[in-house]
Amino acid sequence: QQQVRQSPQSLTVWEGETAILNCSYEDSTFDYFPWYHQFPGESPALLIAIRPVSNKKEDGRFTIFFNKREKKFSLHIADSQPGDSATYFCAASGAGNTGKLIFGLGTTLQVQP
Amino acid sequence: GALVYQYPRRTICKSGTSMRMECQAVGFQATSVAWYRQSPQKTFELIALSTVNSAIKYEQNFTQEKFPISHPNLSFSSMTVLNAYLEDRGLYLCGARDWGEETLYFGSGTRLTVL
Repeated sequence: QQQVRQSPQSLTVWEGETAILNCSYEDSTFDYFPWYHQFPGESPALLIAIRPVSNKKEDGRFTIFFNKREKKFSLHIADSQPGDSATYFCAASGAGNTGKLIFGLGTTLQVQP
Repeated sequence: GALVYQYPRRTICKSGTSMRMECQAVGFQATSVAWYRQSPQKTFELIALSTVNSAIKYEQNFTQEKFPISHPNLSFSSMTVLNAYLEDRGLYLCGARDWGEETLYFGSGTRLTVL
């Protein structure tokens, strides 16, 4: 059973639009929710992360919206640029700082110029 | 800054042989190291989680006998793929974090090809 579900599998937007990537999770003990992005041939890199004490986290053009009640969180990429084209992975981990991150299956984002 | 060096970047081995990959943490203490395999379909499978001074915890479908891991200190970890076969192909990633820190820093990955 996939503990972290991610959608859509792929997404294409035009340059300047807002891309919205969605994730949901099962385990209510999860308390850390990062988003990683991965460019072809490279390893994943942390983009932005949130904890349930907040329902929103912004970093430049990237915003996480978090809904604890529905166990959902999303990544909004405002003013999408062609350089944002990559695969985005949401993840979740539980209490205890064990480093055990559970990843979603990824969303491949293509930003068309 | 925090960095994780992983090597080799790519390796090719014959079916039935073994290969070892290593990770070196720089700029922070790698209290926990998680080893993942990313399949060609891009899904991440957690192989095992190693915490210094604790037993290494393997996930279902992965065993110490197949993927022995060493985590002898706060800057180094290694994993060996024993008797590699086609189904072991993929990108192997180590991710390390310090105790009390949230961010998992990934190495550059080791891409394993099995002939």
